[in-house]
Amino acid sequence: GNSVTQMEGPVTLSEEAFLTINCTYTATGYPSLFWYVQYPGEGLQLLLKATKADDKGSNKGFEATYRKETTSFHLEKGSVQVSDSAVYFCAQSNSGYALNFGKGTSLLVTP
Amino acid sequence: NAGVTQTPKFQVLKTGQSMTLQCAQDMNHNSMYWYRQDPGMGLRLIYYSASEGTTDKGEVPNGYNVSRLNKREFSLRLESAAPSQTSVYFCASSGPSGLVGSEQFFGPGTRLTVL
Repeated sequence: GNSVTQMEGPVTLSEEAFLTINCTYTATGYPSLFWYVQYPGEGLQLLLKATKADDKGSNKGFEATYRKETTSFHLEKGSVQVSDSAVYFCAQSNSGYALNFGKGTSLLVTP
Repeated sequence: NAGVTQTPKFQVLKTGQSMTLQCAQDMNHNSMYWYRQDPGMGLRLIYYSASEGTTDKGEVPNGYNVSRLNKREFSLRLESAAPSQTSVYFCASSGPSGLVGSEQFFGPGTRLTVL
């Protein structure tokens, strides 16, 4: 079946460090891929997405590239800030209906 | 636009009690969803409604019922609450069903504790 696996946290980084959160997926067909972010006490909000192979999604300095050959969609940011502290979820959708989420990766950025 | 709204924000129930979680969206979306979020489990789909008048089970539907009251509103009912239903519940909505890459918009969540 379709599933999403992302690296477990928590991830702790110093401000201005480089961030990578790994995400791989299994799916039939060609899913759309998403990264959502959840700030403390809030709901999820879309961070970026990619709908086909080799697409790069980007937003707020974060990037992720849809890699069909490695079935991956790793999230990266060159220089994290304290305000990036949150939980990050990788997700896939095959049909536009419900999303399959990874378990989430907690990120803590310290000054 | 308020986006997706949920009520209540917090609720404490005793085992066996019933309650309904309310969700509404003002984005004219066709599809609506209910998820639960548990530590270390990510989000799991309870029920969804692809369009007004239809509902379907998700990954973890047992112990829940839903009603798509109209295009705007999608409620989740717990008929006899159990401690295993202690969780944070999120409602979400998205545009035309089946549209590849449809973004889902989430409400702020309802934190439910069942004693």
